[in-house]
Amino acid sequence: DAKTTQPPSMDCAEGRAANLPCNHSTISGNEYVYWYRQIHSQGPQYIIHGLKNNETNEMASLIITEDRKSSTLILPHATLRDTAVYYCIVAGAGGTSYGKLTFGQGTILTVHP
Amino acid sequence: DGGITQSPKYLFRKEGQNVTLSCEQNLNHDAMYWYRQDPGQGLRLIYYSQIVNDFQKGDIAEGYSVSREKKESFPLTVTSAQKNPTAFYLCASSYRESYNEQFFGPGTRLTVL
Repeated sequence: DAKTTQPPSMDCAEGRAANLPCNHSTISGNEYVYWYRQIHSQGPQYIIHGLKNNETNEMASLIITEDRKSSTLILPHATLRDTAVYYCIVAGAGGTSYGKLTFGQGTILTVHP
Repeated sequence: DGGITQSPKYLFRKEGQNVTLSCEQNLNHDAMYWYRQDPGQGLRLIYYSQIVNDFQKGDIAEGYSVSREKKESFPLTVTSAQKNPTAFYLCASSYRESYNEQFFGPGTRLTVL
């Protein structure tokens, strides 16, 4: 699986959009980008994933560049409850990866009042 | 409500003792996973199981053992052979069609004295 690079920490004001970047320059054609988050002392929570098109769900939006070498997770209106560690993971979908996810150190997002 | 249960939340054991961590899910998921997390670090995969009566080693399986006798249950035994067992242990599960969209339990924090 391709390696990802994320900034160690970011700050965001409550109510503003939080834009979390991720570099994955070695991503291969059949690999997806997944995002999870982990609130302190809890289990991680799946947020969203995508292959090459932009994706949106009730939690967030995922923007993947055309060359697929980087992506941005967008929380459109951050709240204090969005303070967490955000993990960007690249993995093959379905049976090819068998769910063997590689969690790096992620980005600590702190949302301020 | 469907979900993943891990018990207990906190566990203390003396050095040299084996200890079994419980993980139960009622999501009808096919696959189950065990991860370990050390302070300030990402998650590392210990074992995973795609179907009942079958499981595979992850990245750090040494000193651990598992069983998968029922679809709902995937207990992890931390043996005395594990050199540094104090950690936060997380169990997860997923459907076979979407291995990388994993649902996590609340975790068990194991402290070996």
